[in-house]
Amino acid sequence: EDQVTQSPEALRLQEGESSSLNCSYTVSGLRGLFWYRQDPGKGPEFLFTLYSAGEEKEKERLKATLTKKESFLHITAPKPEDSATYLCAVGRGSQGNLIFGKGTKLSVKP
Amino acid sequence: EAQVTQNPRYLITVTGKKLTVTCSQNMNHEYMSWYRQDPGLGLRQIYYSMNVEVTDKGDVPEGYKVSRKEKRNFPLILESPSPNQTSLYFCASSLSGTEFFGPGTRLTVL
Repeated sequence: EDQVTQSPEALRLQEGESSSLNCSYTVSGLRGLFWYRQDPGKGPEFLFTLYSAGEEKEKERLKATLTKKESFLHITAPKPEDSATYLCAVGRGSQGNLIFGKGTKLSVKP
Repeated sequence: EAQVTQNPRYLITVTGKKLTVTCSQNMNHEYMSWYRQDPGLGLRQIYYSMNVEVTDKGDVPEGYKVSRKEKRNFPLILESPSPNQTSLYFCASSLSGTEFFGPGTRLTVL
């Protein structure tokens, strides 16, 4: 069964305290791994797409990496405005649709 | 501005009263989809459409219908809503597997 698991469920950081979020997956025919940011009451906002093991992408304080079984979202020197829920999703080969993890709720305190 | 729009944004209705949530995108995307988001369950796909007149079930299609008569529009139809369909609904459209989400529709079925 295709599955996406994110950990931890919630993470509290002090401003400037770097950390990583994990997304592990089992899927037949991976067609990309996606990271989104979601603020309360709003639609998910696209961050990154990764397609192959070893691939890395960066945007401001965020860096996403991909291995054959998991992806990490590294947050360097976070700021309070980085507080949000971060969602991971995988694209499935033949069906062309996404399956999402339940997300990691990140809180960054000043 | 490239965007996905949904209407209405908020809806309170009663059991059994048919309703339609509209979704429109102005990015000429072929792929569109509907999700529901519930606490503790995350985002789950209801239906998706690869192109005009081509639709398929996602992970939780029971109680929902969709149609895709035009490329830009993908309405979600609840013919006989029930309280367990109370949820936050998101429409999305996709380019090359990356999905872009609308702002959401919060539905309450009494």
